[in-house]
Amino acid sequence: GAGVSQSPRYKVAKRGQDVALRCDPISGHVSLFWYQQALGQGPEFLTYFQNEAQLDKSGLPSDRFFAERPEGSVSTLKIQRTQQEDSAVYLCASRRGTGANVLTFGAGSRLTVL
Amino acid sequence: GIQVEQSPPDLILQEGANSTLRCNFSDSVNNLQWFHQNPWGQLINLFYIPSGTKQNGRLSATTVATERYSLLYISSSQTTDSGVYFCAVASGGSYIPTFGRGTSLIVHP
Repeated sequence: GAGVSQSPRYKVAKRGQDVALRCDPISGHVSLFWYQQALGQGPEFLTYFQNEAQLDKSGLPSDRFFAERPEGSVSTLKIQRTQQEDSAVYLCASRRGTGANVLTFGAGSRLTVL
Repeated sequence: GIQVEQSPPDLILQEGANSTLRCNFSDSVNNLQWFHQNPWGQLINLFYIPSGTKQNGRLSATTVATERYSLLYISSSQTTDSGVYFCAVASGGSYIPTFGRGTSLIVHP
């Protein structure tokens, strides 16, 4: 597609529910990133994929967070047993290559855990 | 990992004024971008500028990699320039960008 598409744009979950957030990157982009942005803060890195390989997941805050990109295109970020501290905007970005070039972001998925 | 500091944290301007936003980083970089986050939360790429100077209309940016800083200049500011400006920097082989805390800009008419 022309841009990075994320869905849903808004998600309200009750504490303890599982959620899944989807990212559809720009067609042909090799690199895909997930970031978490809390209110008033800068985006914080969660995880990085190169094609279908998850090369870095050092930013995932707990084992309740899981990400996949099975066919090297669409990615899903799953959060199990959501907690209130998981409330944030989850941003997906893609990049054409594996090295130094432009990162393009989607509009984000805003998660509110009640 | 690399540390990224942005200043000032907040900036309030009258329409038509000029401003300079600064991004300092703690290591050599191979990737640097400036973003504008609009009031709806969308991060818009302004410049990809690991070194050198670029200009786009009223905006320009300069990165001095050897001195570990980058500057974003906004001239003749408009109310639509309001929002948060982030720099994102990567170093080493990972090319994974680290964001600063941003500069929140409000431009009054």
